[in-house]
Amino acid sequence: GQNIDQPTEMTATEGAIVQINCTYQTSGFNGLFWYQQHAGEAPTFLSYNVLDGLEEKGRFSSFLSRSKGYSYLLLKELQMKDSASYLCAVKDSGAGSYQLTFGKGTKLSVIP
Amino acid sequence: DTEVTQTPKHLVMGMTNKKSLKCEQHMGHRAMYWYKQKAKKPPELMFVYSYEKLSINESVPSRFSPECPNSSLLNLHLHALQPEDSALYLCASSLQGVGNTEAFFGQGTRLTVV
Repeated sequence: GQNIDQPTEMTATEGAIVQINCTYQTSGFNGLFWYQQHAGEAPTFLSYNVLDGLEEKGRFSSFLSRSKGYSYLLLKELQMKDSASYLCAVKDSGAGSYQLTFGKGTKLSVIP
Repeated sequence: DTEVTQTPKHLVMGMTNKKSLKCEQHMGHRAMYWYKQKAKKPPELMFVYSYEKLSINESVPSRFSPECPNSSLLNLHLHALQPEDSALYLCASSLQGVGNTEAFFGQGTRLTVV
């Protein structure tokens, strides 16, 4: 089975740093993705981790620890446009193909 | 072209209607997905097609019937839906295999069943 857990909501101030955590227990593991979804829009890809460690991409970084079943997304220099839902998704394998299973998402509100 | 195109963008249908949702991509992706998303919830996987064959059906009711006529197209046929089926239906595609096979999502079809 699959279980992906992340906080439901977070609030942070413009210009600050925020860390969104994700823990997972899945039957297989072939990588972890972070997606951003603005209200009423499709999810868009932010980052991918398959090995332990930190991946940095501009203001966004993502960390993975496979032994702990844990990842986080770090957003620096927060901007108002970063207000969105952030979805953690794990790729596992079943029936010979791969599928993405999403966590429930973390709604981030950035305030002035 | 890194787009996944879904049509229609909005659909209102009665419980006795038959309609189809369409999804198209030209990125050479051989994995295509249908997700259902209710308001304030994450996307829930419905179906996965791998090389045009249905590989995963997440116990979806038979009133939803997927079809993959070729490697670029994915359809979702709807029949005798219930009001609780009203949701955003997202199509996605990705490369198959290991590695960074990020899924590209379409903008979705917002379905209302009346």
